[in-house]
Amino acid sequence: EIVLTQSPATLSLSPGERATLSCRASQSVSTYLAWYQQKPGQAPRLLIYDASNRATGIPARFSGSGSGTDFTLTISSLEPEDFAVYYCQQRSNWPLFTFGGGTKVEIK
Amino acid sequence: EVQLVESGGGLVQPGGSLRLSCAASGFTFSSYWMSWVRQAPGKGLEWVANIKLEGSEKYYVDSVKGRFTISRDNAKNSLYLQMNSLRAEDTALYYCARGLVRGCWDYWGQGTLVTVSS
Repeated sequence: EIVLTQSPATLSLSPGERATLSCRASQSVSTYLAWYQQKPGQAPRLLIYDASNRATGIPARFSGSGSGTDFTLTISSLEPEDFAVYYCQQRSNWPLFTFGGGTKVEIK
Repeated sequence: EVQLVESGGGLVQPGGSLRLSCAASGFTFSSYWMSWVRQAPGKGLEWVANIKLEGSEKYYVDSVKGRFTISRDNAKNSLYLQMNSLRAEDTALYYCARGLVRGCWDYWGQGTLVTVSS
């Protein structure tokens, strides 16, 4: 099983600041990694697929990078609506999938 | 507009059974893999099961193999999850999600809550 470890668990930032979230895989997943945003009481929302491709309708302030075992989700300038929990998810051993434990981005 | 609406959740005793349903609309249901993903209260996301377009292939997370069965009815645009031998650790919000070829999910329902408790 491929394990995804996200860090930090919590990120405390102010609106307008840059957020950098990390996802590390226990073995290479190539670029088969996605990122989701989840707000309280809502379903997850796909942000990024295949490590660096923004999903439909996702603002340009969200970007993804990385390959192999190390991945980053960057939010260039936090908007009030960006404070949420973010999950990474791998599809390297499709059709079996795993998620990371999540990073909460909270208002400082 | 793509919509996924889950139903069938509730309170069940350990060892009991429950059948979840997901009604899909706004897209060609038979053209997409479909999945169930769950989230225990206050916890992260866990993929549960996938089913191929016509239902010929099904995959499960190890913890539910032999207890859960995913199925679909393309004529009714519906996805199902039959859950047997339920355990306390199956307590979660169960989401129905539309799968992309890229191995991720672009549309999710709002979830149905399953609580396993005596």
